[in-house]
Amino acid sequence: DVKVTQSSRYLVKRTGEKVFLECVQDMDHENMFWYRQDPGLGLRLIYFSYDVKMKEKGDIPEGYSVSREKKERFSLILESASTNQTSMYLCASRTGGIEKLFFGSGTQLSVL
Amino acid sequence: DQQVKQNSPSLSVQEGRISILNCDYTNSMFDYFLWYKKYPAEGPTFLISISSIKDKNEDGRFTVFLNKSAKHLSLHIVPSQPGDSAVYFCAASARAGNNRKLIWGLGTSLAVNP
Repeated sequence: DVKVTQSSRYLVKRTGEKVFLECVQDMDHENMFWYRQDPGLGLRLIYFSYDVKMKEKGDIPEGYSVSREKKERFSLILESASTNQTSMYLCASRTGGIEKLFFGSGTQLSVL
Repeated sequence: DQQVKQNSPSLSVQEGRISILNCDYTNSMFDYFLWYKKYPAEGPTFLISISSIKDKNEDGRFTVFLNKSAKHLSLHIVPSQPGDSAVYFCAASARAGNNRKLIWGLGTSLAVNP
């Protein structure tokens, strides 16, 4: 069974902290994505990666960076967390050329 | 400018009846459409999809209809069950360079009442 694992379900951080959100997939997928979900705003794409060491900005990359050193792992980094980054963060992966995304369970991040 | 619109933020249906969730799109380049279901505090899960070469796809209680001329698709759930209560996202896909990009609607929250 396919699996996308996000390291934390719930996370509480302070303003200004550097935050790492980790995502691992076991399906040998080329493409990986980071989204955030906020009520009334749907799913918004932050960053994505089509292959190892490749990254591209999504629709809302400001305040975030990513790292993809290995095919199975895609990390989202909040360089200096702010309260407006309180959100549900969702990692997803897929095989290249196939539209179907597999999502992790999400990380609910609260920045105080 | 939203390219994929789910105009009903919420929908309430009685158990056993039909649920119809609607989605409109503006970009004629979209050629593949997907529906995802999301429970609170969980990631979305894939439900059903349809290619633009078809006008209907069925999987058990779930059927998706595509009307290309109207740029409209709908998800029918028959019969609706309380466990179907969730947020449903419509997504559309188009080729962007060498890859494909998914554009998401804002979601419709479905409540199925016993």
